[in-house]
Amino acid sequence: AQSVTQPDIHITVSEGASLELRCNYSYGATPYLFWYVQSPGQGLQLLLKYFSGDTLVQGIKGFEAEFKRSQSSFNLRKPSVHWSDAAEYFCAVAGNAGKSTFGDGTTLTVKP
Amino acid sequence: DGGITQSPKYLFRKEGQNVTLSCEQNLNHDAMYWYRQDPGQGLRLIYYSQIVNDFQKGDIAEGYSVSREKKESFPLTVTSAQKNPTAFYLCASSMKGTGGTDTQYFGPGTRLTVL
Repeated sequence: AQSVTQPDIHITVSEGASLELRCNYSYGATPYLFWYVQSPGQGLQLLLKYFSGDTLVQGIKGFEAEFKRSQSSFNLRKPSVHWSDAAEYFCAVAGNAGKSTFGDGTTLTVKP
Repeated sequence: DGGITQSPKYLFRKEGQNVTLSCEQNLNHDAMYWYRQDPGQGLRLIYYSQIVNDFQKGDIAEGYSVSREKKESFPLTVTSAQKNPTAFYLCASSMKGTGGTDTQYFGPGTRLTVL
């Protein structure tokens, strides 16, 4: 069975600081990995996805993520956080059957 | 504009009543999904449909029902059998619903509160 763990429930960073959100997955074969962002009371917006190829993927809003098969990780990064990045972030993994499994999310707070 | 719409944004229900949440998409996607989101938790799959007139139970289908009579529409009914229906409900769609590369796109959600 596939699963996703986001070890950090809540992260606080200062505006302008760098950010890394952790995601660990469990899946027997090649995983398809996604990061989504959710503002309060809103739906999820896709930030980026990894299917194959280059293990460093670029997404929208200046985010990037790196797939590390040896560590079963797909961590999300941003060099300089803006106040508008405050939101909840979800990592997800999908298998060949197409069903996605989501992590419990990480809430990001940005300090001025 | 192409996208997914959900209505209403907020819904209040008395205990013992059934209520139906609407989800419409104009992306020409074959697959549609319903998720439930509770505070501090990720999304849990309720039902999904990969083609018109067919749907499958997800991980937490008990107390819910769906229909898929049209490609564009996938309404969710929360029945009185659902013991704890207060939650945020998200609808999503994807092009085919098969294969891990099929990206899901989400609607804005409906917040259901049982009084």
